[in-house]
Amino acid sequence: DTGVSQNPRHKITKRGQNVTFRCDPISEHNRLYWYRQTLGQGPEFLTYFQNEAQLEKSRLLSDRFSAERPKGSFSTLEIQRTEQGDSAMYLCASRWGASTEAFFGQGTRLTVV
Amino acid sequence: QQQVKQSPQSLIVQKGGISIINCAYENTAFDYFPWYQQFPGKGPALLIAIRPDVSEKKEGRFTISFNKSAKQFSLHIMDSQPGDSATYFCAASITSGTYKYIFGTGTRLKVLA
Repeated sequence: DTGVSQNPRHKITKRGQNVTFRCDPISEHNRLYWYRQTLGQGPEFLTYFQNEAQLEKSRLLSDRFSAERPKGSFSTLEIQRTEQGDSAMYLCASRWGASTEAFFGQGTRLTVV
Repeated sequence: QQQVKQSPQSLIVQKGGISIINCAYENTAFDYFPWYQQFPGKGPALLIAIRPDVSEKKEGRFTISFNKSAKQFSLHIMDSQPGDSATYFCAASITSGTYKYIFGTGTRLKVLA
């Protein structure tokens, strides 16, 4: 088990294009989170999955964002019609059950040009 | 009410000195307070955490002091080392429901050799 894995690590896209990121959580972790981190700021919560169910979405998650976690394993975050303001580090975290510690991946850095 | 305020924004400390980072919160429902350390290009990693039923927790050179009545908590790094140079984030969570973290804005620490 090598921790939370995120791919790709870096993505450069043109404004208006769609992008998809993948997160593979630690095995057996049933809770999965997506956060967004902009330069000089702390991570901001985007959405939460418990197993395959998406139980909470932040107001930050506009209609252009969608996340899935089929079969309660890996998760994908898709951004449609990207805007320059979407440029950020997208972090995935996972935890198991009632454990309080969340383990973060190394993130996907998105640059929209 | 969901915010966590963190200060200072940046900190420079001599090797061997004490680094102190402060955080304050408003929501009294928060019951778990972790500190995360983040190196450039990496995801945040848990450093130390505390529950509000204790006033202090120490792990090696790292100590959290917690003042429940003031709704404040702080991280003390004793004998600071150049390898401690990183960005530190405080966070708060409610350990029911989603367990999502609310992060502070971060403190960039530089320890001079």
